[in-house]
Amino acid sequence: GQNIDQPTEMTATEGAIVQINCTYQTSGFNGLFWYQQHAGEAPTFLSYNVLDGLEEKGRFSSFLSRSKGYSYLLLKELQMKDSASYLCAVRDTDTGTASKLTFGTGTRLQVTL
Amino acid sequence: GAGVSQSPSNKVTEKGKDVELRCDPISGHTALYWYRQSLGQGLEFLIYFQGNSAPDKSGLPSDRFSAERTGGSVSTLTIQRTQQEDSAVYLCASSVGTDLSTDTQYFGPGTRLTVL
Repeated sequence: GQNIDQPTEMTATEGAIVQINCTYQTSGFNGLFWYQQHAGEAPTFLSYNVLDGLEEKGRFSSFLSRSKGYSYLLLKELQMKDSASYLCAVRDTDTGTASKLTFGTGTRLQVTL
Repeated sequence: GAGVSQSPSNKVTEKGKDVELRCDPISGHTALYWYRQSLGQGLEFLIYFQGNSAPDKSGLPSDRFSAERTGGSVSTLTIQRTQQEDSAVYLCASSVGTDLSTDTQYFGPGTRLTVL
């Protein structure tokens, strides 16, 4: 079966750093994705990890450890506009040219002054 | 267009009626996906298309749900005899679909379905 866990809610202060964790147990693994979703809007792609290590993209970084079934999204220099839900998703197949994603329930981040 | 588009943006229907939801993927994207997001729940996979074929329709919750894709582009998700538990936001995504190692899904704005 597929199981993806993330905290339901987090709060952080503007200008600070926040780390959102995601653990997964899936029947296969072929990449982990992070999406940002503002209330009432579509999820937007943030990052993709398929190999162990850290991927950095401006204020956002994502880390993956396949042996531990663990990823985190790191947001630096938080801004009020970063208040959103952050969705962790796993692709569990390695055949074909496209495949579904299995999503966690998302972490709602509230950035405060 | 520049992104994935969906119509209608909102749909209110009465229990027992049929509804059709439409998705226009990003031009050139061969893979198209349907997901459902209920209040407080994660995105739930329904079906995906590669071209006009559906290699994985494992997420369709019942035989009241069906989807088709024509011309390798537009897709329609049909829900027959709607029930109140079908109320959710239905999201469509598309991807290039030619190389799994780099494939990234891009989402449309969704259709909010309310069944009274």
